[in-house]
Amino acid sequence: EVQLVESGGGLVKPGGSLRLSCVASGFTFSSYSMNWVRQAPGKGLEWVSSITTDSYIYHADSVKGRFTISRDNAKNSLDLQMNSLRAEDTAVYYCARARSNWYSDYWGQGTLVTVSS
Amino acid sequence: DIQLTQSPSFLSASVGDRVTITCRASQGIGSYLAWYQQKPGKAPKLLIYSASTLQSGVPTRFSGRGSGTEFTLTISSLQPEDFATYYCQLLNTYPPLTFGGGTKVEIK
Repeated sequence: EVQLVESGGGLVKPGGSLRLSCVASGFTFSSYSMNWVRQAPGKGLEWVSSITTDSYIYHADSVKGRFTISRDNAKNSLDLQMNSLRAEDTAVYYCARARSNWYSDYWGQGTLVTVSS
Repeated sequence: DIQLTQSPSFLSASVGDRVTITCRASQGIGSYLAWYQQKPGKAPKLLIYSASTLQSGVPTRFSGRGSGTEFTLTISSLQPEDFATYYCQLLNTYPPLTFGGGTKVEIK
């Protein structure tokens, strides 16, 4: 059974940093690209970052220069390092497995990040 | 960047109704579109990819059509468990992977 479990969310002050992790199981992690998607409270879905199997990365303009996606295939782990956090980064962050053309077929349960003073 | 516009943003319907949601792209995207369902407090669930391919395990009352700039998601006979918010998403050979604004389907 495919499982994705996010962790690392919490309350952080504006300008602070946080590192999210997503541990994958039930599939060969190294063979799949991965996505991060977020959802602000009461709002729609927003694509954040993606990483290919060979670690080529993509970031949304809204997070470029502040967030960095990475993966550790030995640990079946996907990370999102978030720096210079802003109030508008407050959201539930989901990791998701990507298939061809980047659609997400499996999603984690999400982890809440709150940026507030 | 390509934008996706969903309509309507809110839809009130009854069990058994046929429901259609539209997603329009600001420029042609071929068949590079996915549809997701999201219930409150839950992660999104993939319904359809490549505009019309039903994800394994998704009921056949869900169907997707379209190519280019106009796409539709149709639920042929709305069931109680279908009341949710639906999102379209731009796919591509590489990101960005824009989402539409969402369509909330509520019980009439």
